[in-house]
Amino acid sequence: AQTVTQSQPEMSVQEAETVTLSCTYDTSENNYYLFWYKQPPSRQMILVIRQEAYKQQNATENRFSVNFQKAAKSFSLKISDSQLGDTAMYFCAFGFNDYKLSFGAGTTVTVRA
Amino acid sequence: EAGVTQFPSHSVIEKGQTVTLRCDPISGHDNLYWYRRVMGKEIKFLLHFVKESKQDESGMPNNRFLAERTGGTYSTLKVQPAELEDSGVYFCASSQGQKFSPLHFGNGTRLTVT
Repeated sequence: AQTVTQSQPEMSVQEAETVTLSCTYDTSENNYYLFWYKQPPSRQMILVIRQEAYKQQNATENRFSVNFQKAAKSFSLKISDSQLGDTAMYFCAFGFNDYKLSFGAGTTVTVRA
Repeated sequence: EAGVTQFPSHSVIEKGQTVTLRCDPISGHDNLYWYRRVMGKEIKFLLHFVKESKQDESGMPNNRFLAERTGGTYSTLKVQPAELEDSGVYFCASSQGQKFSPLHFGNGTRLTVT
């Protein structure tokens, strides 16, 4: 079974600043997918960003970018120019050969005005 | 398009009772998943339907849990009899056919067993 570890239960950031969320995973596989999902308070979880392990280039989506270190099995998420609407719980997830995902325990991000 | 809908949003039941959770996926999504998050812990996979067939139910905790997806549309997850450790948030998600196409999640059902 794959394990995903998010070591930061909570993080706080000032509006307009940058915050980085850490995620490490354990796998012996070579080709897999990594994801960051976001769940705002009382709202549905949505996909933020996705990375395919065979691609060396780090994925970016507007203010969200990842630092994918395959050898270190690390997949951190950087939120630049934080906005109040970024306040949410963020989940890192791993997917391999089948359709199911392995999730971390989540990091609660609070953006302060 | 309408998103994934889950009902009820909250349920409080006593140990030994039965509860049925419902999920309506996005229309046209063949893949339907159930996940569960126990307080403060990671979200864990329960099972995966492709249309009406159970593709993978390796995450189902025990035989007190029964999932169905009759006709390949909505799905139900029944817990009978409920135990205290069943408390948590149950998420349903759906996706289109391709592997690792984005999951569309519902708001979840918060189940509390007392």
